[in-house]
Amino acid sequence: GESVGLHLPTLSVQEGDNSIINCAYSNSASDYFIWYKQESGKGPQFIIDIRSNMDKRQGQRVTVLLNKTVKHLSLQIAATQPGDSAVYFCAENDMRFGAGTRLTVKP
Amino acid sequence: GAVVSQHPSWVICKSGTSVKIECRSLDFQATTMFWYRQFPKQSLMLMATSNEGSKATYEQGVEKDKFLINHASLTLSTLTVTSAHPEDSSFYICSARKGQRGAGEAFFGQGTRLTVV
Repeated sequence: GESVGLHLPTLSVQEGDNSIINCAYSNSASDYFIWYKQESGKGPQFIIDIRSNMDKRQGQRVTVLLNKTVKHLSLQIAATQPGDSAVYFCAENDMRFGAGTRLTVKP
Repeated sequence: GAVVSQHPSWVICKSGTSVKIECRSLDFQATTMFWYRQFPKQSLMLMATSNEGSKATYEQGVEKDKFLINHASLTLSTLTVTSAHPEDSSFYICSARKGQRGAGEAFFGQGTRLTVV
């Protein structure tokens, strides 16, 4: 998605619940997508990626879903933990970032 | 995993001076490096993409003469903020991608917090 410098949307969940973070992208020609996690004052960390020939990919406690028809990505985090609190960004292969979502996990 | 080192992690400089930020891929060759700027509570804004040995491609609205990018080797890219002003104060982050251009995971440095006084 295009990085437009907007203030971040937020998602607050209870510890142990599942989290779903959404991202819309703009370039229909993009063939590779990445989810990153950024903790305060640090650089982003890779979470999971997916290529456009797939619509779902699973990692440890995370699943990425890709809907090319509507140019939408989602990141699902199972059994969310306090350590998952961070800002989550999606990026396309041109490494432009989406607006991001701040996830807060309540104990 | 691959490591990208960014230096310095923070810097304070006076208005009118220039500041150089280094981004190194420590254990892989980076065919492409990316430079970002991030304001508090906002997303990463891509400033430029640089491929080793060629000129950087700047995003619209980013001044080439203000933000000089050099990607002289497969392990080092530098961003120089020239004639810095207080509005240039920000968090600058680099990332490096290995392997085939245009695809694959990019690894991020830890960021540089620039304060211009």
